[in-house]
Amino acid sequence: AQSVTQLGSHVSVSEGALVLLRCNYSSSVPPYLFWYVQYPNQGLQLLLKYTTGATLVKGINGFEAEFKKSETSFHLTKPSAHMSDAAEYFCAVTTYNTDKLIFGTGTRLQVFP
Amino acid sequence: EAGVTQFPSHSVIEKGQTVTLRCDPISGHDNLYWYRRVMGKEIKFLLHFVKESKQDESGMPNNRFLAERTGGTYSTLKVQPAELEDSGVYFCASSQESGSFEETQYFGPGTRLLVL
Repeated sequence: AQSVTQLGSHVSVSEGALVLLRCNYSSSVPPYLFWYVQYPNQGLQLLLKYTTGATLVKGINGFEAEFKKSETSFHLTKPSAHMSDAAEYFCAVTTYNTDKLIFGTGTRLQVFP
Repeated sequence: EAGVTQFPSHSVIEKGQTVTLRCDPISGHDNLYWYRRVMGKEIKFLLHFVKESKQDESGMPNNRFLAERTGGTYSTLKVQPAELEDSGVYFCASSQESGSFEETQYFGPGTRLLVL
């Protein structure tokens, strides 16, 4: 069975600061990993995903994530936070033998001016 | 292209009543998923349709929940009778290609259900 752990239910950063949202996964088979973002009153939007190939994945809005198998991690980063990045972020995993997404509990990002 | 739509956006009902949620997937998407987020917890899978067939309903909490997908288009999720613990946000998602597990799932805005 797969699982996802997101460390930190709330993260606060200043505008212009580095954003780091942590995600660790557990899977007995090679994982497919996703980051979704939910802005207020909107649905979940895909930021980026890792399936195979290059372990550093670039997504929308300047976000990127690196798949590290040895650390079972898929942390999300952005070099410089913007006020518009304030939202809730979800890490999710699936594998080749199931297409249901297993989500973490989410991390709410606050950006202060 | 229209995204996944869900109706209603909010629903407040009393315990014991019935509520029906509707999801319209992206046109042409064979796969339709229902997920639920109970307050403060993770988003959890409920079930998966491929066209009009239930592919996986392992996440359905109990027999008070009934999902249908008529003609492989829109889907409804009925809760009857509703209990307090059914409160949460119900998300619908759709994806295009059957059998491709890495396919992106596109999510709707969710229906916020409150059972009093």
